[in-house]
Amino acid sequence: SQTIHQWPATLVQPVGSPLSLECTVEGTSNPNLYWYRQAAGRGLQLLFYSVGIGQISSEVPQNLSASRPQDRQFILSSKKLLLSDSGFYLCAWSVSDSLKFFGPGTRLTVL
Amino acid sequence: QQQVKQSPQSLIVQKGGISIINCAYENTAFDYFPWYQQFPGKGPALLIAIRPDVSEKKEGRFTISFNKSAKQFSLHIMDSQPGDSATYFCAAVISGGYNKLIFGAGTRLAVHP
Repeated sequence: SQTIHQWPATLVQPVGSPLSLECTVEGTSNPNLYWYRQAAGRGLQLLFYSVGIGQISSEVPQNLSASRPQDRQFILSSKKLLLSDSGFYLCAWSVSDSLKFFGPGTRLTVL
Repeated sequence: QQQVKQSPQSLIVQKGGISIINCAYENTAFDYFPWYQQFPGKGPALLIAIRPDVSEKKEGRFTISFNKSAKQFSLHIMDSQPGDSATYFCAAVISGGYNKLIFGAGTRLAVHP
């Protein structure tokens, strides 16, 4: 069966510090991978998606970047965090059909 | 045109009652409509989904009703239970390609015992 992992589960970082969130998927090959952000009490905003290694598409201009160094690994990064980067970050994957499966999420607090 | 509008924002239902959440869309190219359930601190989990060639789909206590002409769809939770208390998101997607889901804003459901 397929599983998706995210780490860390929670993170508290000062403004201006770098960020690296990691997502890995098991049990599937060549998935589409996605990063979403969910602000407190809000919906899900698509940040990035990737259809293959090294292929990244950005949905909104922002302080974040994404990379896909391996088929089942997706990384979300920032060089300098802003207060507005706080939120719940969710990695998701899909294969062929329209289903998306979400990871457990990372709660990021920027102080 | 890419938006999915969801209502209500929050909903309180007594145990055993029916919870109804509504969504509307504009883009007729959407061809897949999933619903997700999210508990606090957890990622959303796929609950039930429907394609526009079907007017209703039922899985246990959860039913999706779909009105293609009105471009509306809704989730009905029958015999609502306190364990159903969660945030529910409707979504829409154009199948194939990047499968970019467009989410509604979410409905926070509280089922009181």
